[in-house]
Amino acid sequence: KAGVTQTPRYLIKTRGQQVTLSCSPISGHRSVSWYQQTPGQGLQFLFEYFSETQRNKGNFPGRFSGRQFSNSRSEMNVSTLELGDSALYLCASSLASAAKNEKLFFGSGTQLSVL
Amino acid sequence: AQTVTQSQPEMSVQEAETVTLSCTYDTSESDYYLFWYKQPPSRQMILVIRQEAYKQQNATENRFSVNFQKAAKSFSLKISDSQLGDAAMYFCAYRSATAKYIFGTGTRLKVLA
Repeated sequence: KAGVTQTPRYLIKTRGQQVTLSCSPISGHRSVSWYQQTPGQGLQFLFEYFSETQRNKGNFPGRFSGRQFSNSRSEMNVSTLELGDSALYLCASSLASAAKNEKLFFGSGTQLSVL
Repeated sequence: AQTVTQSQPEMSVQEAETVTLSCTYDTSESDYYLFWYKQPPSRQMILVIRQEAYKQQNATENRFSVNFQKAAKSFSLKISDSQLGDAAMYFCAYRSATAKYIFGTGTRLKVLA
């Protein structure tokens, strides 16, 4: 079974641009969550989607948005990029979001650099 | 709001020795789960071990075990017989009743040959 796939692996953008990141979960997984990882800040939760609906949202500005398609694939969009948006963006999938002990399966992330 | 604190940014351990990574958390909830995830240089995070808050028995997975002190809100990870492949970033995580994950800032573990 293929793992969680994130594309692209690396991305370089300039301030003011927008970017879209893609995440394909493990087949059968219906929950997809996104995290921003920066040195010293650890992982910060962006949002979670389950069956095309946003179930949870972190404390990020409205420039960060996402969506999930009927095949569970998810996209994350960041508009009007700022230098501080430079980070590793990780996507994780799980079977369902209801079980608290359910483990996450992570992709290898997209490293975004904003110049 | 829940918080997770990892106070050790970096730790080193000799190969075959034992190391303990610390994690503390703050919550007013009584039902939750705690996790340790490992992030190797490949960047793909992998679950190491998980603990249910209502279980007093500490979880164990082969060379990895936890010391869960619920009253003290402490959840440390012990790695026995450390191997070179254990070198990675380790993240402690808390999962709330709303299913939102909260991660610590991570501890970078170096294993010395």
